Amino acid sequence: DTGVSQDPRHKITKRGQNVTFRCDPISEHNRLYWYRQTLGQGPEFLTYFQNEAQLEKSRLLSDRFSAERPKGSFSTLEIQRTEQGDSAMYLCASSPVRQAYSYEQYFGPGTRLTVT
Amino acid sequence: DAKTTQPNSMESNEEEPVHLPCNHSTISGTDYIHWYRQLPSQGPEYVIHGLTSNVNNRMASLAIAEDRKSSTLILHRATLRDAAVYYCFPTLSGNTPLVFGKGTRLSVIA
Repeated sequence: DTGVSQDPRHKITKRGQNVTFRCDPISEHNRLYWYRQTLGQGPEFLTYFQNEAQLEKSRLLSDRFSAERPKGSFSTLEIQRTEQGDSAMYLCASSPVRQAYSYEQYFGPGTRLTVT
Repeated sequence: DAKTTQPNSMESNEEEPVHLPCNHSTISGTDYIHWYRQLPSQGPEYVIHGLTSNVNNRMASLAIAEDRKSSTLILHRATLRDAAVYYCFPTLSGNTPLVFGKGTRLSVIA
């Protein structure tokens, strides 16, 4: 399968614990995005990378959140001192950068986080 | 970001056409109109996009109003597998952060 993969698919943690999620984009896709989705809402943008450079961070990304893409391939999203409000689906997507108009992002299946 | 308006939910019978509307009255002249859908327990997937002309692909057709303030996604023959939340939004590039709204939840009845 050459699609976007995310690990783990589900994570249950206690409030105050740290969690880390991994995203493996489609090979050779320069851009990698993180979104968060809560129940009944559409995905909300968190941050994105071009290769290893983090290009933009949303105001939703508090200081407890950090994302990395150290070698321009996979990415990790870490949440420190989790709160119940962090419970959500965390989605990763990737896309190539082409000279022509790039129109499609490819999403992974998501990591569902439950903070108890 | 341009604001979009979509019905919360729609229902269709299987094998019948479905027309999903979207209003994006504040769209800028250079924005493309994108549609994605999200099947249950999956990440969103791209459906179609367009600028001014109507567009067709293997999944759907996109009809864009002449003033570009609205568009309609057309599924020609709905199947049970088309039951999903459909999102539309204008965006300058599909290669930048996407701004999803709440979308339209489509139910397909056998």
